[in-house]
Amino acid sequence: GAGVSQTPSNKVTEKGKYVELRCDPISGHTALYWYRQSLGQGPEFLIYFQGTGAADDSGLPNDRFFAVRPEGSVSTLKIQRTERGDSAVYLCASSSNRGPSETQYFGPGTRLLVL
Amino acid sequence: DQQVKQNSPSLSVQEGRISILNCDYTNSMFDYFLWYKKYPAEGPTFLISISSIKDKNEDGRFTVFLNKSAKHLSLHIVPSQPGDSAVYFCAASAGLGGTYKYIFGTGTRLKVLA
Repeated sequence: GAGVSQTPSNKVTEKGKYVELRCDPISGHTALYWYRQSLGQGPEFLIYFQGTGAADDSGLPNDRFFAVRPEGSVSTLKIQRTERGDSAVYLCASSSNRGPSETQYFGPGTRLLVL
Repeated sequence: DQQVKQNSPSLSVQEGRISILNCDYTNSMFDYFLWYKKYPAEGPTFLISISSIKDKNEDGRFTVFLNKSAKHLSLHIVPSQPGDSAVYFCAASAGLGGTYKYIFGTGTRLKVLA
């Protein structure tokens, strides 16, 4: 079966612009996560969806960041008024969430560069 | 505050020998631990996990050991192969509360020399 897919694979934008990053989770996975990885760091949690609702958005750095998952499958991470510090790899992961010990499977990431 | 620490940024090992990667954590609420491997320009790939009720889990060449009293876990790769060269991330989660977000370490770059 297909893994987690993310589009675009690379995105270059100018400071102040708006960007959308898309994630297609593994089919049937109810839990979806967004992480951000900066150079030399491990992935940092941004937001977690259980179905259509954001169960935990404590990792979103500020109100310029927003994510949706309207039908409980595909998710879009939206960044308004981008800043150079937003440049990073944005990773999406999904899990089946059938118990307390769930393995998250990651997509290849979207590399965002804000000029 | 770094809750999950990988203090060795890099490690070189000869092919066929054992690779030992270490990870320390500070949060006693963590109950599930994982290791991921990451190649350049790819997402992290799940390698092996361990629940806090166990102290060892083995899968082929990979074994993870958990020492709860020391808040320490390690990944052993035996024998090491050149294809194992990658960045390895340790991750932990606290399943209580219904959110299973992972907290990652900063990674250890393993180089297996042929």
